[in-house]
Amino acid sequence: GAGVSQSPRYKVAKRGQDVALRCDPISGHVSLFWYQQALGQGPEFLTYFQNEAQLDKSGLPSDRFFAERPEGSVSTLKIQRTQQEDSAVYLCASSPSGVQGDYGYTFGSGTRLTVV
Amino acid sequence: AQSVTQLDSQVPVFEEAPVELRCNYSSSVSVYLFWYVQYPNQGLQLLLKYLSGSTLVKGINGFEAEFNKSQTSFHLRKPSVHISDTAEYFCAVGRGLSGGYNKLIFGAGTRLAVHP
Repeated sequence: GAGVSQSPRYKVAKRGQDVALRCDPISGHVSLFWYQQALGQGPEFLTYFQNEAQLDKSGLPSDRFFAERPEGSVSTLKIQRTQQEDSAVYLCASSPSGVQGDYGYTFGSGTRLTVV
Repeated sequence: AQSVTQLDSQVPVFEEAPVELRCNYSSSVSVYLFWYVQYPNQGLQLLLKYLSGSTLVKGINGFEAEFNKSQTSFHLRKPSVHISDTAEYFCAVGRGLSGGYNKLIFGAGTRLAVHP
């Protein structure tokens, strides 16, 4: 497609439930990023993929968070045993290459996760 | 470490008035600077970026920003705002990391509210 697509747009989960958030990047984009945006805050980096390789997961807040991109295209962010502090908008972004200086990010519209 | 401070959480302004949204950054290395806009329930859209060269950067929708290295600032300006400019604005600094990728570090955002 023409842009970065994220699904679902909205997700309500009961505390303790597992959730999976999907990101379809722009076709052919090498780099894929996940960001977490809490209410009233700026986005915070979670993790980065270059093709299928997860090169940086330093922003994942706990071992309950797991991301994958097995074929170098679609990515899934999984949160196990959700807690209320996980409530946020999760943004995905992709960019054409993996080289320094490439800041041609395109962001998706995000998935708003509410944990009740 | 790099950080971004947006000095105003909210900026109210009347339509057709000029506006300045302030951003300061801290970094010990060369920086790349960005302004993004976020409309309700949407992802982030790039307004403009400074990578190198001229310190006055022009972006979309009539916005411009000036990189001031001595003051470590990157303030966003528009000479005459429209109702449609009402949105959340985020300043970000790009960090190029070894391994050939970059990530964005965002400020907390400034809500611009344009009144008729």
